[in-house]
Amino acid sequence: DSGVTQTPKHLITATGQRVTLRCSPRSGDLSVYWYQQSLDQGLQFLIQYYNGEERAKGNILERFSAQQFPDLHSELNLSSLELGDSALYFCASSPWGAGETQYFGPGTRLLVL
Amino acid sequence: DAKTTQPPSMDCAEGRAANLPCNHSTISGNEYVYWYRQIHSQGPQYIIHGLKNNETNEMASLIITEDRKSSTLILPHATLRDTAVYYCIVTNNNAGNMLTFGGGTRLMVKP
Repeated sequence: DSGVTQTPKHLITATGQRVTLRCSPRSGDLSVYWYQQSLDQGLQFLIQYYNGEERAKGNILERFSAQQFPDLHSELNLSSLELGDSALYFCASSPWGAGETQYFGPGTRLLVL
Repeated sequence: DAKTTQPPSMDCAEGRAANLPCNHSTISGNEYVYWYRQIHSQGPQYIIHGLKNNETNEMASLIITEDRKSSTLILPHATLRDTAVYYCIVTNNNAGNMLTFGGGTRLMVKP
């Protein structure tokens, strides 16, 4: 158990819909990262937050957005969903967001029908 | 971040040492070598990391060559539960250190 929690574990929705994935980092960690793992793209970095501020952005679509709240939990919002958005979404956390080990949550499996 | 090259798959007999190689010939001086593994579709699990010196923890040992162009992850006594995809990642310790995952090595531990 890494100490990072993600909800929900599974999500099934339809194309065009909007969903929110939630992540709670390890106690004391200020930085949160989001990754997407699809069958054809592998594990890809989406976005990082540190203490409520966006710190780095990767291959995140404009239809996707994220935020980190004052209690340090983070949410990833996916809108206008397409079939290709079906994937595993992982959240990771680290203490300072600068060079430390990242600890991953169990992931949310999203299926878009 | 430097690119890494790993064999796509390896087999290992249960109880034997598993030696997983990684080539990172373009690594720069401030880049660390990290190893993670992913068991089935679970979240990636941190194993070990190092800069220059060999490292050992309760899970594994990391051997980095003197020129730092390659490394080997050693699982000393592989068990069936070590069957997973192992990722070798090179990253610096600057802010915004996202991890760049390649294809990894799929290790199959066989009875």
